[in-house]
Amino acid sequence: DAGITQSPRHKVTETGTPVTLRCHQTENHRYMYWYRQDPGHGLRLIHYSYGVKDTDKGEVSDGYSVSRSKTEDFLLTLESATSSQTSVYFCAISDQRGIRYNEQFFGPGTRLTVL
Amino acid sequence: AQSVTQPDIHITVSEGASLELRCNYSYGATPYLFWYVQSPGQGLQLLLKYFSGDTLVQGIKGFEAEFKRSQSSFNLRKPSVHWSDAAEYFCAVAASGAGSYQLTFGKGTKLSVIP
Repeated sequence: DAGITQSPRHKVTETGTPVTLRCHQTENHRYMYWYRQDPGHGLRLIHYSYGVKDTDKGEVSDGYSVSRSKTEDFLLTLESATSSQTSVYFCAISDQRGIRYNEQFFGPGTRLTVL
Repeated sequence: AQSVTQPDIHITVSEGASLELRCNYSYGATPYLFWYVQSPGQGLQLLLKYFSGDTLVQGIKGFEAEFKRSQSSFNLRKPSVHWSDAAEYFCAVAASGAGSYQLTFGKGTKLSVIP
C-alpha cells in the first residue's frame, strides 16, 4: 500500500470554527489531491497540488483552502466550517510519470462532522 | 469536460453468480479509465486501469473490464462473486495528455452479495 496517512481520522467541530486536515505521504509523489465523498455524489475534487507551493482549484473548492510547503504534506483548511462541509475527506497522491500517469492512490479518509 | 455515469446505484447478486457493473463515460479523445473499490469505512483501492492497447484489462481480485470505444463504456466483470466482494465500486475517467491529472468519478454502485 502507498504510504499515505491522514489526520485526524475523525473530527467533530462546531459551525464557524476553523479546521485543518493533514495529508502526509512517504512516496515522494509530485501530485496530491483532496476529495470529499458524500452519499449520491461519489468523490468530488476540492483542490490539488502539482508541486511545493503549486496548487489549483477543483470542482468544489468554495469554502476550502490548501497549502503545500513540503513535498510530503498537503493541508486542507476550512476557514469557517459549515454544516454543508460535513463529509468524508480523502487525500490522494499520484506520480505523473510513464505508465503511472493519473493512477491515484488514496488515504484512509477523515470523517468530519460540523454541528 | 469529461463525465462518468454508473447507471446502477445498487446491485444484489448471489454468491457464485457472475457480475457486471456498468460504466459509461463522456470524453472527446481516448480516455484513461479506472475502477476503484471501497469497502465500508475504508479508502479506495484501485482494481484495474486502462491506458491503451488491449481493450480487455485484468485487475486484482479476479476482476476484469472491457473498454468499448463505440459504446463509450468500461464495464467491470467478475465470473463468480465472493461474499467479500460486497463493497462500493467507482468508475473514474481522466483526461489523457500532458498536464491532465484530474479524475472524474461516477457516483458509485453498491454491491450486495447474498450468501
